[in-house]
Amino acid sequence: AQTVTQSQPEMSVQEAETVTLSCTYDTSENNYYLFWYKQPPSRQMILVIRQEAYKQQNATENRFSVNFQKAAKSFSLKISDSQLGDTAMYFCAFMKLRGAQKLVFGQGTRLTINP
Amino acid sequence: GAVVSQHPSWVICKSGTSVKIECRSLDFQATTMFWYRQFPKQSLMLMATSNEGSKATYEQGVEKDKFLINHASLTLSTLTVTSAHPEDSSFYICSARDLTVGVVPSEQYFGPGTRLTVT
Repeated sequence: AQTVTQSQPEMSVQEAETVTLSCTYDTSENNYYLFWYKQPPSRQMILVIRQEAYKQQNATENRFSVNFQKAAKSFSLKISDSQLGDTAMYFCAFMKLRGAQKLVFGQGTRLTINP
Repeated sequence: GAVVSQHPSWVICKSGTSVKIECRSLDFQATTMFWYRQFPKQSLMLMATSNEGSKATYEQGVEKDKFLINHASLTLSTLTVTSAHPEDSSFYICSARDLTVGVVPSEQYFGPGTRLTVT
């Protein structure tokens, strides 16, 4: 079974700073997807960024980028120029390509951006 | 973009009664929907995978007779919590996959969630 671990329950940074959220996972699969989701106080899950395991290039979406280390099974999220609206729970998630393609979530990191 | 709705957004029910939560894909067809449960300050835990026209697949530890799932059409899945008890109080979230040709197959679209409180 796949597991996803987020070792930082909470993080707090000042507005405009850069912050990195950590995620490690365990799997025997070779082909899979990794995701970062954001859950603001409204509790609506929002996809932040997606990485296909077969792609060596790290995914980027505007201020959000990942550092995907497949051999180390590490998938960190970097938020640059953080904004107050980035305050939310962030969940790392894993999906294998075979079978039902279920999402397995990490425990989450509560990120607070301070003015 | 693809939109998933849930109804109701919140519900309060008495212990022993049943409550039904609907999950709809508004602008796409979803052969597969997923139901999650989220306790306060915790992560999402997958309860079951709902497949259109067939029986749902439940995760280990989830009572299928207590959490009835019906996926009768390509746009609607329902979760019925039967004989609800206070410990069933939680936030229930559904997600759906758009299997239209050309759409990224890994994409899951999440509903806004339903807060259930059992008194």
